[in-house]
Amino acid sequence: DGGITQSPKYLFRKEGQNVTLSCEQNLNHDAMYWYRQDPGQGLRLIYYSQIVNDFQKGDIAEGYSVSREKKESFPLTVTSAQKNPTAFYLCASSIIVGNQPQHFGDGTRLSIL
Amino acid sequence: GQQLNQSPQSMFIQEGEDVSMNCTSSSIFNTWLWYKQEPGEGPVLLIALYKAGELTSNGRLTAQFGITRKDSFLNISASIPSDVGIYFCAGHGSSNTGKLIFGQGTTLQVKP
Repeated sequence: DGGITQSPKYLFRKEGQNVTLSCEQNLNHDAMYWYRQDPGQGLRLIYYSQIVNDFQKGDIAEGYSVSREKKESFPLTVTSAQKNPTAFYLCASSIIVGNQPQHFGDGTRLSIL
Repeated sequence: GQQLNQSPQSMFIQEGEDVSMNCTSSSIFNTWLWYKQEPGEGPVLLIALYKAGELTSNGRLTAQFGITRKDSFLNISASIPSDVGIYFCAGHGSSNTGKLIFGQGTTLQVKP
């Protein structure tokens, strides 16, 4: 089945530590996205990528970094510079960047130890 | 920036009742999308709307793209317990960057 796989489901971060969240898709989509979701709020865009080796900052990129070395993969690193990382992180993809629906993975919940 | 106002924030209804929720924007949107999210999972696309005035159904769900292009509504008929979840509207604005703008969500609870 085609879809988006995020791992791990739960992740814990210690102070001063970087952690990386995985996102893989087998939908052959060019565009991929990372969102952050906090309780009672809508989704906020962290980074997005239109194509391999390209990515753009979203609305809340500070303290995060991404790479897009392969079409299928778009990992997100939460760096120690992100002072409030506890949230639910969602990865999505779409055929292209534009007026296309985005399809989501099942998310990674990140907590601070 | 463009923002979406989604209402109501939450609903607690009896099984069998119809449900209506809506989203409004201060600016024009090119697409409207409705998603459902269950606890601990990612949002699942329910309905996508691409033209002003478009009315689309998916089973017991019906959504419309407002004529002004600044609003959309979602109706659920004859609600059942598995309709429980958070419903999000989302849309692509006129800037066409591909960035989706999300509403804050409507939490639906259904009493059997």
